[in-house]
Amino acid sequence: GNSVTQMEGPVTLSEEAFLTINCTYTATGYPSLFWYVQYPGEGLQLLLKATKADDKGSNKGFEATYRKETTSFHLEKGSVQVSDSAVYFCALSERTGNQFYFGTGTSLTVIP
Amino acid sequence: DTAVSQTPKYLVTQMGNDKSIKCEQNLGHDTMYWYKQDSKKFLKIMFSYNNKELIINETVPNRFSPKSPDKAHLNLHINSLELGDSAVYFCASSLLGASPYEQYFGPGTRLTVT
Repeated sequence: GNSVTQMEGPVTLSEEAFLTINCTYTATGYPSLFWYVQYPGEGLQLLLKATKADDKGSNKGFEATYRKETTSFHLEKGSVQVSDSAVYFCALSERTGNQFYFGTGTSLTVIP
Repeated sequence: DTAVSQTPKYLVTQMGNDKSIKCEQNLGHDTMYWYKQDSKKFLKIMFSYNNKELIINETVPNRFSPKSPDKAHLNLHINSLELGDSAVYFCASSLLGASPYEQYFGPGTRLTVT
């Protein structure tokens, strides 16, 4: 079956620190991979996506590379800001399916 | 301009009451979803409708009943509310068959049962 495992939080970093949030997946086919971000009191917003192996998704300074050999899609940012404080969700969807599979979410707090 | 909207944003009610949450999308999508997010931020899918037909119905108490009057709307009715129903409920929509297949979320409805 399909599933997503992401590192547990909470994660607390100082401003300008390097961020990595690990995500690995299990899928029966060739999924598309996503990172969603949920700011406090808001809904989930698509942060970035990748649809095939070796694709790199990027947005707002965040990056993630679709690694088929390690079944991973780790989220990285070189220098976090206080405004990046949010919950981050890794997710996958099958190409022919209609369902998303979300990870458990990782809470990030960035302190000045 | 709101793509996926939900009403109300906050809902406070007493145990035993019946309440509804409404969702509308103006993206032209054909599939809509209800998710429940608990206090630990874990997301659980509850229902999915495609063109007004129920396609995903996870293990959810039958006190929860979705209704889709058309493909742009998906409402959630909850009977006999219980304390454990307190959570944030998110509506989402997508276009079946799109590549990549991705979902768009509403702002959420925070339900508090006292």
